[in-house]
Amino acid sequence: KAGVTQTPRYLIKTRGQQVTLSCSPISGHRSVSWYQQTPGQGLQFLFEYFSETQRNKGNFPGRFSGRQFSNSRSEMNVSTLELGDSALYLCATQRQAGEVNEQFFGPGTRLTVL
Amino acid sequence: GEDVEQSLFLSVREGDSSVINCTYTDSSSTYLYWYKQEPGAGLQLLTYIFSNMDMKQDQRLTVLLNKKDKHLSLRIADTQTGDSAIYFCAERAYSGAGSYQLTFGKGTKLSVIP
Repeated sequence: KAGVTQTPRYLIKTRGQQVTLSCSPISGHRSVSWYQQTPGQGLQFLFEYFSETQRNKGNFPGRFSGRQFSNSRSEMNVSTLELGDSALYLCATQRQAGEVNEQFFGPGTRLTVL
Repeated sequence: GEDVEQSLFLSVREGDSSVINCTYTDSSSTYLYWYKQEPGAGLQLLTYIFSNMDMKQDQRLTVLLNKKDKHLSLRIADTQTGDSAIYFCAERAYSGAGSYQLTFGKGTKLSVIP
């Protein structure tokens, strides 16, 4: 079974630009969450999508947005990029079966803002 | 809000056992996870424990959960150089509207000395 895939793996942008990152979950997983990882703040929750609806949102400005498609693939968008947006962006999908709850992460997209 | 604490560094000799500790604050957490992150990579799910369990063993990994003290530990038996990585503890807690999110510690960097 293929794991969580994220594209692109690396991205370089300049301040003021916008960026779209993509996440394809493991087949059958309907929940997709996004996290930002930086050396200073660690791993922080951005948002979660389930069945094309945003169920939860972390404490990030409105420049960060996302969506989910009917095939569960998700995209996140960051507009008007700032230097501080440089980070590893990780998406996670989950499998829930009875008392089993596994959260699998993709390899991440490394975004560098110059 | 929730806060997950971990010590930042741990150094052990190859062949010894490693014990990585974590404390969490949300008593309603249902699942607690351990992830491994190698340089330049995403998060690899190592193991998790459901909140109604005290211990879980999976090959070289043993997870202990003390709910009274909100303390979680990961023991790696016979530590190998390939175990050198950053280990993250995470708690899954309900955040409303049918959504759960993971709150991560800052990670413990494990260095294995040959």
